[in-house]
Amino acid sequence: KQEVTQIPAALSVPEGENLVLNCSFTDSAIYNLQWFRQDPGKGLTSLLLIQSSQREQTSGRLNASLDKSSGRSTLYIAASQPGDSATYLCAVRPMGTYKYIFGTGTRLKVLA
Amino acid sequence: NAGVTQTPKFRILKIGQSMTLQCTQDMNHNYMYWYRQDPGMGLKLIYYSVGAGITDKGEVPNGYNVSRSTTEDFPLRLELAAPSQTSVYFCASSEVPGQSTDTQYFGPGTRLTVL
Repeated sequence: KQEVTQIPAALSVPEGENLVLNCSFTDSAIYNLQWFRQDPGKGLTSLLLIQSSQREQTSGRLNASLDKSSGRSTLYIAASQPGDSATYLCAVRPMGTYKYIFGTGTRLKVLA
Repeated sequence: NAGVTQTPKFRILKIGQSMTLQCTQDMNHNYMYWYRQDPGMGLKLIYYSVGAGITDKGEVPNGYNVSRSTTEDFPLRLELAAPSQTSVYFCASSEVPGQSTDTQYFGPGTRLTVL
């Protein structure tokens, strides 16, 4: 059974720091992996989608990597800003399914 | 283009009451999903649909029902509400899952409390 874990559960950093959020999954047979952002009281917004054949995706200050063999993905945020404060969730779509399995998220706070 | 809309935003139910959570998308997506999110937890899939007239159970379907009569709408029905159904409910939609079209678009959520 596919399980997705995100560590740490919460993280506080000063503004301007580069940071890495971690996501691990137990079964490497996946179609793709997505990173989402969730603001308090709001829905989820997709940040980056990495296909199973890809190693990384970039959007602005965000870079996500995927290592299927080790069951790991990282989300790198460069030059963090207070506006980056949110909960970040990763989710994988296992092969042969239409479903996504979500991690419990990392709650990020960027201090001004 | 409103994306995915959900109503109501908030609701308080008494134990044993029933209600329907509404979800509509205007992106002509075939795939739609209902998730619940409990405090400090990730999202759990309740039901999903791959097109009008076709629905299937997710991880936590007990106590819920869905229907999909049109491409746009995917209502979630709670029968005999229980305190364990207190949660935030999210509806999402996506194009046909494939390598490059798999982005899920989420609604703003419905916060439900059962007392």
